[in-house]
Amino acid sequence: ETGVTQSPTHLIKTRGQQVTLRCSSQSGHNTVSWYQQALGQGPQFIFQYYREEENGRGNFPPRFSGLQFPNYSSELNVNALELDDSALYLCASSLEPSGSEQFFGPGTRLTVL
Amino acid sequence: AQSVTQLGSHVSVSEGALVLLRCNYSSSVPPYLFWYVQYPNQGLQLLLKYTTGATLVKGINGFEAEFKKSETSFHLTKPSAHMSDAAEYFCAVSDRGTASKLTFGTGTRLQVTL
Repeated sequence: ETGVTQSPTHLIKTRGQQVTLRCSSQSGHNTVSWYQQALGQGPQFIFQYYREEENGRGNFPPRFSGLQFPNYSSELNVNALELDDSALYLCASSLEPSGSEQFFGPGTRLTVL
Repeated sequence: AQSVTQLGSHVSVSEGALVLLRCNYSSSVPPYLFWYVQYPNQGLQLLLKYTTGATLVKGINGFEAEFKKSETSFHLTKPSAHMSDAAEYFCAVSDRGTASKLTFGTGTRLQVTL
């Protein structure tokens, strides 16, 4: 049984560009949540996907968008990158939205120059 | 709205000493509570969680935490620190119906010295 994986590990972009981050959920998990962790801060909830539909969103602008695929893997897309978007982006999967057992991936480190 | 306050952004203890990391929460309904650990350049690993039942929760690596409703606290303790415990620790809270949507505190960096 594989855990949660994320790609790429690191990414460098310039302001105004667009980026796509990918996450493969743990086997059997249909719920994927995305978090942004700025340097020195705790993770902040971006949004969650459950069975290919968005299932809740945190306080992030619409330029942060996502997808979930039939195999429950997920993408996070960020348009019009800003310097403050530089952060570690974490993906987590769980069996259900109500599941308290959530497994995190290693994260993607995004640097915006 | 929920929130989590972690007192002390940095805590330093000697190897073998008691570890105490503080967490207070604010929630309008009985919450689920979690402690996660993050090692450098890694994701988050669940240490322990409180959902229902016994208020003293035991986790991995010898850590435990006690849910105190009257104090709205969920402090993390370990009787004897080990060098390998040096990491960043995050307390988190969620609603019972949406346990996978977590609100995190700002974290406490634990340093363990010889």
